Amino acid sequence: AQTVTQSQPEMSVQEAETVTLSCTYDTSESDYYLFWYKQPPSRQMILVIRQEAYKQQNATENRFSVNFQKAAKSFSLKISDSQLGDAAMYFCASPTSGTYKYIFGTGTRLKVLA
Amino acid sequence: DAGVIQSPRHEVTEMGQEVTLRCKPISGHNSLFWYRQTMMRGLELLIYFNNNVPIDDSGMPEDRFSAKMPNASFSTLKIQPSEPRDSAVYFCASSFWAGTGELFFGEGSRLTVL
Repeated sequence: AQTVTQSQPEMSVQEAETVTLSCTYDTSESDYYLFWYKQPPSRQMILVIRQEAYKQQNATENRFSVNFQKAAKSFSLKISDSQLGDAAMYFCASPTSGTYKYIFGTGTRLKVLA
Repeated sequence: DAGVIQSPRHEVTEMGQEVTLRCKPISGHNSLFWYRQTMMRGLELLIYFNNNVPIDDSGMPEDRFSAKMPNASFSTLKIQPSEPRDSAVYFCASSFWAGTGELFFGEGSRLTVL
């Protein structure tokens, strides 16, 4: 079965510092999108950033950026200048057999320390 | 612009009762997904539809679960009879199949079966 692995159940970061959350995936697709979603205590799933697999350039959205290594099937999320509002569960998502059938990793709980 | 709308937000019921969860996707989206989230199993894809047609229901746990999408603006997930192990948060998400594949999530329905 195709999988998405987030090996860090929990991470902590000091406010204003940088943290990287890791994700590896397994897909047989050649062209696809990858996503990081944030789930705060309100439980709403919010898109953080999207990476197009055919683009070599890493995606960035303000303080959020990815390190995408297609050959290694690695898709890590870097959060710079961490803020208290960044505290949440973060999920990585990857397609499986069908391009738009996405499965999610088990999540990483990020704590931001004041 | 309205997002994905789910109802009810909370449901408490007794074992053996029928439960119906409802979802209204974003207008113009042609794909709809039902996910279940638990602490033990994370986010699991139950079923997804494209153009109102079920494409993959391999994630539906048992025959007690059924899902329908009678038109482009409405879907239901039904559990009959419900059991305590069905307690979870159920998310509906929609996307535009030929687009970027980004999933837009509803706020979820928290189900508690006593």
